[in-house]
Amino acid sequence: EIVMTQSPATLSVSPGEGVTLSCRASQSVGSNLAWYQQKPGQAPRLLIHTASTRATGIPARFSGRGSGTEFTLTISNLQSEDFAVYYCQHYNNWPPWTFGQGTKVEIK
Amino acid sequence: EVQLVESGGGLVKPGGSLRLSCAASGFTFSNYNMNWLRRAPGKGLEWVASISSSSGDLYYADSVKGRFTISRDNADNSLFLQMDSLRVEDTAVYYCARGGAYGSGWGQGTLVTVSS
Repeated sequence: EIVMTQSPATLSVSPGEGVTLSCRASQSVGSNLAWYQQKPGQAPRLLIHTASTRATGIPARFSGRGSGTEFTLTISNLQSEDFAVYYCQHYNNWPPWTFGQGTKVEIK
Repeated sequence: EVQLVESGGGLVKPGGSLRLSCAASGFTFSNYNMNWLRRAPGKGLEWVASISSSSGDLYYADSVKGRFTISRDNADNSLFLQMDSLRVEDTAVYYCARGGAYGSGWGQGTLVTVSS
């Protein structure tokens, strides 16, 4: 079973700054990686699939990179609506869907 | 616009049962695999079960295998999760999600609380 590890657990950032979140797979998942955003009380929202392809309607300030075992999600010019929890999920040999434990991006 | 609306959550005692529903609209439901996921209090997202577009393939997490049953009604654009022998650790917000490999649309969730 492939384990997904996200770091850090929490990031404190000021609006307008940029931030990079990390996701590591215990073995290669190729480019079969998605990123989601979840705000309190809301549904998760797909941001990125295939490691770097933005989902429909996702602003260009969200960008994904990586392949194999190392992935990053970069959010530039953080807006107030970007403070949320972010999850990575690999889909190599799905199902199951395997998620990282999440990174919370909070206001500094 | 993809819309998924879950219902059927509530408070149930350990050992009890609940049936969750998910009403889909805004897309051709019968073309998509569908899934149930959950998020327990203070924890991350956990995949629960998946069903193929024609109901021919069903998959379950080990934690719910033998207790939960996923099903769908393509004529009614609905997804279901029958949950039996519920445990305290099944307490979570349950989400339905569209997609095979990843979730391209999610509902707002329905809260299931298992407590005596």
